[in-house]
Amino acid sequence: GQQLNQSPQSMFIQEGEDVSMNCTSSSIFNTWLWYKQDPGEGPVLLIALYKAGELTSNGRLTAQFGITRKDSFLNISASIPSDVGIYFCAGQLTGNTPLVFGKGTRLSVIA
Amino acid sequence: SAVISQKPSRDICQRGTSLTIQCQVDSQVTMMFWYRQQPGQSLTLIATANQGSEATYESGFVIDKFPISRPNLTFSTLTVSNMSPEDSSIYLCSVEGTSGRLWSYNEQFFGPGTRLTVL
Repeated sequence: GQQLNQSPQSMFIQEGEDVSMNCTSSSIFNTWLWYKQDPGEGPVLLIALYKAGELTSNGRLTAQFGITRKDSFLNISASIPSDVGIYFCAGQLTGNTPLVFGKGTRLSVIA
Repeated sequence: SAVISQKPSRDICQRGTSLTIQCQVDSQVTMMFWYRQQPGQSLTLIATANQGSEATYESGFVIDKFPISRPNLTFSTLTVSNMSPEDSSIYLCSVEGTSGRLWSYNEQFFGPGTRLTVL
């Protein structure tokens, strides 16, 4: 089946630093999504990407949809303590189809 | 957006018993998804539940182990049957709906999850 390779698995950074994580796939997706999961909660959508090459920002977050449709990255600038959590990438082939998730990047921010 | 609630939020169960997890959505949705998140792992889709038809199960998941009901467009249940310690996971309900954000057409919303521990 389809698999997403997400890296790094975990990161420890100082408050104020920038963060970058990425996701690669063995097959093409038409939508790339980035979610954040806080402890005891379900994942919440941060950014959605719908076109190859698309670069999208949401506040301090920036994500890009790779031109090959097989990869995506997420950048967080000037990290703050509330950025702590697990970040998941997810690929979707078409609307109303299930998401395929990466294994997550656990982010810790040291104040 | 869709607001999803799940019951119970957590449970500790004995081996060999069954647990039914409920998912309630505040709006009518066509498709509901059930995911499993094992400790420290990512989310894996168990099945897709459509109202009025049998659920569609992913490879590795079977109806006898994870029976699903979808009696209407706002509610679904997932049963974890004949549980073993390997079933200890977070079980998440998800729906697809309009996010309302300019940059997103449809968004998959997730419930808070049910944390299951099997002894």
